[in-house]
Amino acid sequence: EAQVTQNPRYLITVTGKKLTVTCSQNMNHEYMSWYRQDPGLGLRQIYYSMNVEVTDKGDVPEGYKVSRKEKRNFPLILESPSPNQTSLYFCASSLRAGPRTGELFFGEGSRLTVL
Amino acid sequence: RKEVEQDPGPFNVPEGATVAFNCTYSNSASQSFFWYRQDCRKEPKLLMSVYSSGNEDGRFTAQLNRASQYISLLIRDSKLSDSATYLCVVKWAGNQFYFGTGTSLTVIP
Repeated sequence: EAQVTQNPRYLITVTGKKLTVTCSQNMNHEYMSWYRQDPGLGLRQIYYSMNVEVTDKGDVPEGYKVSRKEKRNFPLILESPSPNQTSLYFCASSLRAGPRTGELFFGEGSRLTVL
Repeated sequence: RKEVEQDPGPFNVPEGATVAFNCTYSNSASQSFFWYRQDCRKEPKLLMSVYSSGNEDGRFTAQLNRASQYISLLIRDSKLSDSATYLCVVKWAGNQFYFGTGTSLTVIP
């Protein structure tokens, strides 16, 4: 089954404790990206990657890191989480990068709470 | 000014009604346009792309007006299963996607 898998789905942590949210897709997609969704603000792009070893900042990259060592994986790293990073996070992938790329396939989301 | 703006609603309509959502975007160089659907606490899913000539998919019709920088979605003969949040999405050059905050629709029996 074609899918984007995120883990963990739910996490409660404390300020400053490094954490990683994993994202894996089995569709051989070149393009992957991370979003956070907050009430009243919608989804905002954190980072994206057009291919292996190529990553770029989105709209709200502060406090996050990513890596793309393999095509299928795109982990999101919070080196020192803070309460303002409490949010619902989505990973997404897409078949092609380019002007017509549109269908983003999303993971089920990871709800993160930082105390 | 937000890159993509939508009326958050909520829109509460009876079954069988026709409902329209609008969305405006700020960047005239935006390349691609989409409507996504998001059910409560679930991931967004593509409903349809929006083309300059307008396009239709069953009961759903999407329109793009580049001159006025707005996108619309029309849902005819609303079903209970159409209840969801509808997200307007705009893609810029450089693969940056901007999402509206969503418009909430509830279809009432």
